[in-house]
Amino acid sequence: SQKIEQNSEALNIQEGKTATLTCNYTNYSPAYLQWYRQDPGRGPVFLLLIRENEKEKRKERLKVTFDTTLKQSLFHITASQPADSATYLCAPGSGNTGKLIFGQGTTLQVKP
Amino acid sequence: NAGVTQTPKFQVLKTGQSMTLQCAQDMNHNSMYWYRQDPGMGLRLIYYSASEGTTDKGEVPNGYNVSRLNKREFSLRLESAAPSQTSVYFCASSGGKVGATPLHFGNGTRLTVT
Repeated sequence: SQKIEQNSEALNIQEGKTATLTCNYTNYSPAYLQWYRQDPGRGPVFLLLIRENEKEKRKERLKVTFDTTLKQSLFHITASQPADSATYLCAPGSGNTGKLIFGQGTTLQVKP
Repeated sequence: NAGVTQTPKFQVLKTGQSMTLQCAQDMNHNSMYWYRQDPGMGLRLIYYSASEGTTDKGEVPNGYNVSRLNKREFSLRLESAAPSQTSVYFCASSGGKVGATPLHFGNGTRLTVT
């Protein structure tokens, strides 16, 4: 069955450093991969979408890579700030089915 | 600009009671979804509706029913609530091809079944 793995342990980093979060998937070949941010008590908020033919995508301090050979996406936040502290979810999608499955999420804590 | 609105925000039920979670979106999106989120389990898809008039099962449909009332509204019904259904329920919508377009989420309904 399709499986999505994100680091279950929280990631703690110092303000100003780069945070790198990992999303691995098995048993399917998504054409797209999405990243979301979720704050406590709130619904997830969309951040970035990358297509299988795009190796890298950037938005302000965010960068996402998509390696279809390794079946992995990396999500980077450069010059991290305490306000970046949240849980980040990845969601690989094929575009051919009616559903989008999410990873469990990784919690990022940025310390001042 | 409300986006996706879920009601109620909080609910406590006794085992065996029934209730309907309501969801409405004002973005003219075709697709709507119901997820549940439990600690350590992430978001799990319960049901989805790719377009008005259609509904399909997701990963964990047992114990739930859905109705796509019109393009705006997608409700989730628990006919006989069980403690295992204690969770946070999120509704979402998207305007294009699933996976290729972002999902817009509501802020959830926190349900406790005693």
